[in-house]
Amino acid sequence: AQSVTQPDIHITVSEGASLELRCNYSYGATPYLFWYVQSPGQGLQLLLKYFSGDTLVQGIKGFEAEFKRSQSSFNLRKPSVHWSDAAEYFCAVGPSGGYNKLIFGAGTRLAVHP
Amino acid sequence: EAGVTQFPSHSVIEKGQTVTLRCDPISGHDNLYWYRRVMGKEIKFLLHFVKESKQDESGMPNNRFLAERTGGTYSTLKVQPAELEDSGVYFCASSPPGGFYNEQFFGPGTRLTVL
Repeated sequence: AQSVTQPDIHITVSEGASLELRCNYSYGATPYLFWYVQSPGQGLQLLLKYFSGDTLVQGIKGFEAEFKRSQSSFNLRKPSVHWSDAAEYFCAVGPSGGYNKLIFGAGTRLAVHP
Repeated sequence: EAGVTQFPSHSVIEKGQTVTLRCDPISGHDNLYWYRRVMGKEIKFLLHFVKESKQDESGMPNNRFLAERTGGTYSTLKVQPAELEDSGVYFCASSPPGGFYNEQFFGPGTRLTVL
């Protein structure tokens, strides 16, 4: 069955420190991979996506992610975290079953210390 | 351009009552999705409309849930009767016509609490 695992429920980093959020997936074919962010009171916003091509993808807000097929991973990174990055981050894979639905991980909540 | 809107933002009801959630997609988006997140777990797909037709309803938990999208514009999700395990955040998303490549834009969600 297709699934997404985000091993870290909560992560705390200091402002200015680097960040890596982990995402592992189980998918029977070449996956389409996504990272979404949800800030308090907001909907989920797409940070970046991978469909094909270069395995290092750049997104909004200074985020990037690297697709590693051999490790079934799509980790999200940022070189220097800002206090405004405090939010919940979701990794997702799709499509599933021939339809457009996304399969999400359980999310990682990021706290940023000043 | 207005984003995806959902109403209400919060709803607290008692077990056995009925609740109707509403989603207004971005204008021109044929695709409309409902997802649910229960108690800090993963966000799970419920169903997908293409215009007014149900494309995929494989995620609907049981027949207490009824989704409609009359006229292919806004959508409602009714839970009747509500049970304790229905508590969670219900997200709606929409995307333009076309295939999977089009980004799904999410609303802020409706937080449902069943007491």
